[in-house]
This record gives sequence, C-alpha cells and structure tokens, in this order.
Amino acid sequence: QVQLVESGGGLVKPGGSLRLSCAASGFTFSDYYMSWIRQAPGKGLEWVSHISSRSSYTNDADSAKGRFTISRDNAKNSLYLQMNSLRAEDTAVYYCVRVLGVIDYWGQGTLVTVSS
Amino acid sequence: EIVLTQSPATLSLSPGERATLSCRASQSVSSYLAWYQQKPGQAPRLLIYDASNRATGIPARFSGSGSGTDFTLTISSLEPEDFAVYYCQQRRSWFTFGPGTKLDIK
Repeated sequence: QVQLVESGGGLVKPGGSLRLSCAASGFTFSDYYMSWIRQAPGKGLEWVSHISSRSSYTNDADSAKGRFTISRDNAKNSLYLQMNSLRAEDTAVYYCVRVLGVIDYWGQGTLVTVSS
Repeated sequence: EIVLTQSPATLSLSPGERATLSCRASQSVSSYLAWYQQKPGQAPRLLIYDASNRATGIPARFSGSGSGTDFTLTISSLEPEDFAVYYCQQRRSWFTFGPGTKLDIK
C-alpha cells in the first residue's frame, strides 16, 4: 500500500533552517509528481511547493519563494524540503503528498515550530 | 490566485440526516475540484475528485456535483464517523484550498 512518511520537523529559531524528508513506498515513486502542503495549528491547508516526476520542473507558493527548495531523489524514493530563513508564520504541520492530477495520498505530517 | 469559499463554516446535524456542503470558486475551475475529509490529529483523506468522482474506498453516501464556480458535497445519511472538517480544493491553477466546513454533531 502507498505510504508517505515525513521526518525532520522540530523546533527552530526564527531565521534558522530545517530540512524535511519524506520516504515513499508502495508505488513507483519516479512516476509521480509530489508536493508539500502545510497546515498551521488550528488553520486550513496551504500548498507550499511542487516538483515534477523527474525534477525537471518545480514551483513554489509565494510564501515559500526564495526561502524553500523542493527536491527529490528517485533512487532513494525520497522527497525533500529545504527551508531557510524560517519565520514564526511557517509554524505548521508539513504534509508530503502524492499528486496524480489530484492529491490522492497524504503522509501523516511532521510538525515544524519556529519560535525563539 | 483562485480563491475558494465554503459555506457554512459550521454545520450541526444528527446522525441519519442529510448534509449539504458548498464550495464556490472566484473564477471557473471547470471540474477540477476535489473534496477532502479531515479528522482531528489525522491527515486529510481524498473523498471526491474532479467534482463528482468518488475516490477508491469512499462510501456511496458521499457524492459531489457542480462545475465552473459552484460545487456541492452531499452526504446522504450521516454516520457517526462522518463528523469532521471538509475542505474543497481546486487544481485548475496550481492548488488552493477552501477554509473548510466543520460538520459537528447536533
């Protein structure tokens, strides 16, 4: 079965950096586009970043542009999100999601807390 | 950016009743609209994609309709496990989500 397992979240100070990882299994990872979606505590869902199946194309939400970088390693069935210059408003659960046109599978998420 | 609004913000119903949730887009999204269910402490789960197609394993009591800018998610007869937050999401232009409708027990 499809599994997406995020890791790398934690507490970081404003201005700091964090790298999230997502380990995928149960499907041919290299066939799918992938994205990161986040959800601030008690709030709604926000798309963050997107990458094509062979990494030829990426796109980021305005809130992430210039600070976050999405990447993947198809040989390792892994998705990453490098987050720099973190702000308090980046505090959220970050979900790794599989995209087949629609977002059809979600990981359980990893919590990122930006606080001094 | 395509903005999605959902109504009502909260819907209080009893098990066995029919639930009707609405989602409106700021511009046409054709049929590129999905619905997700989220329970506390869990990731969202895909219910409906492309406006009216049930995802794998989703019970027949869930149905979606609409196109263009106005969409509806209907739950024909509420089960206890259906009380949750429901989000709509468009993929006509990247991804945006509505603010959610909380369906709670009356």
